[in-house]
Amino acid sequence: DGGITQSPKYLFRKEGQNVTLSCEQNLNHDAMYWYRQDPGQGLRLIYYSQIVNDFQKGDIAEGYSVSREKKESFPLTVTSAQKNPTAFYLCASSRQGAYYGYTFGSGTRLTVV
Amino acid sequence: RKEVEQDPGPFNVPEGATVAFNCTYSNSASQSFFWYRQDCRKEPKLLMSVYSSGNEDGRFTAQLNRASQYISLLIRDSKLSDSATYLCVVNGNAGNMLTFGGGTRLMVKP
Repeated sequence: DGGITQSPKYLFRKEGQNVTLSCEQNLNHDAMYWYRQDPGQGLRLIYYSQIVNDFQKGDIAEGYSVSREKKESFPLTVTSAQKNPTAFYLCASSRQGAYYGYTFGSGTRLTVV
Repeated sequence: RKEVEQDPGPFNVPEGATVAFNCTYSNSASQSFFWYRQDCRKEPKLLMSVYSSGNEDGRFTAQLNRASQYISLLIRDSKLSDSATYLCVVNGNAGNMLTFGGGTRLMVKP
């Protein structure tokens, strides 16, 4: 079955450490997205990519970086520059145009310890 | 003005009740509309797309009013399992991108 897989499910980061969240899809979707969700809050867009080897900043890109070397993969790195990284991170993918909506992965819950 | 606005709730209703949520959007050129459901600490999942003529899926009915730029979701015969946050989603100013409302929280009580 096609889907979108995020790993790990839970991640703990020490202060000053970079961590990378994985997102892989086998839906043959061109576009992929990263969102952050804080408790009781809505989704905020971090980065998105409409095509391989190209990506754009979203509303809250500072302290994050991404790459899109393969159509199936869109990893997100939370750098030490992100001062408040504790949150629920959601990856999504869609066909071009998003007329069929987004499909989300099950998320990664990141906690700073 | 936010691109997609929803009443955050919570809406507290008894089992069996009918409940309706509205959502307004700012971009008159929007073409795609959706309702997503998000359970606590889970990912959003597509509940239904919203078509111009209105559409129904079992106990759920979605309607679109382009003139007034609002979308509605009606849930009939509420079940305990309907308790969740409902997200109104519209394709926004960037064309290919979807914009998510902040969500409306529904709590169905026995």
